[in-house]
Amino acid sequence: EVQLVQSGAEVKKPGESLKISCKGSGYSFSTYWIGWVRQMPEKGLEWVGITYPGDSDTRYSPSFQGQVTISADRSITTAYLQWSSLKASDTAMYYCAKLSRSGSTWSPFDAWGQGTLVTVSS
Amino acid sequence: EIVLTQSPGTLSLSPGERATLSCRASHSVSTNYLAWYQQKPGQAPRLLIYDASSRATGIPDRFSGSGSGTEFTLTITRLEPEDSAVYYCQQYGMSPRTFGQGTKVQIK
Repeated sequence: EVQLVQSGAEVKKPGESLKISCKGSGYSFSTYWIGWVRQMPEKGLEWVGITYPGDSDTRYSPSFQGQVTISADRSITTAYLQWSSLKASDTAMYYCAKLSRSGSTWSPFDAWGQGTLVTVSS
Repeated sequence: EIVLTQSPGTLSLSPGERATLSCRASHSVSTNYLAWYQQKPGQAPRLLIYDASSRATGIPDRFSGSGSGTEFTLTITRLEPEDSAVYYCQQYGMSPRTFGQGTKVQIK
């Protein structure tokens, strides 16, 4: 069974750094792109970006380029989303999800983590 | 960037009725790379349909997708109470990948 298990909720202050995680199991972690989706409170889904654990190739939505960093450590089958300096507007639920086709970015997300709520407030 | 516009914003129907949800793209979606997701309150989204018309694993045949180019439809026949959710379309044929704003389906 494919599982994506995310780290717990975080409460941070503006300007702080943060790295949240997503551990994959039940599939070949290195050969499927894995990514992140943001959902701000009471809003829709936004595609943040994806990374390929096999070679660390990473793609970002222009809206998030330079704002976050996506990475993965295939040795521990874990993907990450990190911020160097959080803003209040980063407050949202963040989901990790894997793409459905091995090695291909032309895929929908077919498995999702449970979400990590990030709250940024002074 | 492909903008996906979903309509209606909210659909209120009775159990057993048919729901028709629309997703219109600002540009043609390459190879009909369009998916539909269901999101219930407090839950992560779930993939329903991919490649415009293929059902994902374990999805009941009450859910079907159709369309091509810039016009896509998700149809839910014989609505059940558990179908109450927000439904999103997403295109993955062009970068950046984008989602529609969602359609809320309410069961009376």
